[in-house]
Amino acid sequence: EADIYQTPRYLVIGTGKKITLECSQTMGHDKMYWYQQDPGMELHLIHYSYGVNSTEKGDLSSESTVSRIRTEHFPLTLESARPSHTSQYLCASSESGRATYEQYFGPGTRLTVT
Amino acid sequence: AQSVTQLGSHVSVSEGALVLLRCNYSSSVPPYLFWYVQYPNQGLQLLLKYTSAATLVKGINGFEAEFKKSETSFHLTKPSAHMSDAAEYFCAVSSNSGYSTLTFGKGTMLLVSP
Repeated sequence: EADIYQTPRYLVIGTGKKITLECSQTMGHDKMYWYQQDPGMELHLIHYSYGVNSTEKGDLSSESTVSRIRTEHFPLTLESARPSHTSQYLCASSESGRATYEQYFGPGTRLTVT
Repeated sequence: AQSVTQLGSHVSVSEGALVLLRCNYSSSVPPYLFWYVQYPNQGLQLLLKYTSAATLVKGINGFEAEFKKSETSFHLTKPSAHMSDAAEYFCAVSSNSGYSTLTFGKGTMLLVSP
């Protein structure tokens, strides 16, 4: 079983609050990813990182930001939460190198903004 | 650009029946293909992957998939469904170019009735 963790698992928060979703992995993977998942929709890549101090925006525009100061840690921050941010957020990691390496997923954070 | 189409947002089978989940892809370069499974309130777990070796790929839990280049398909099958197979299944494609990322389909919910 993959060792990738996300906290909190569930979060209900009011509009305008700043939130940080945590993601950590203990596998030493260089690559890490954040996806947004809505019911009946494909996973959308919102951010990814190929290593420390490397971050890129994904296919889906997002108002969130990420940082990668340590290999094992890839937090996602929303400066001012809005109801449109209500979704499930999945973190993943993979080894660098070949594209054949699969991504390992955390259990997800279900965010509700009221 | 890559894309994945999963035919049928829901598939219903009886326990013991054949499971067939369809996935078609488009990719401008030779693809790598993945099937993931997601149980309620969990992250995604890799079932199997195609990485240009054997076209028939065997995965966990009795699932297998066949890569057919001429049909641009990678359908997932299992000879005999079990109640525990009820979950959502995602097909994904990765290119073999540079810093590749995964593109996911919208998912297929498999329902298994006794």
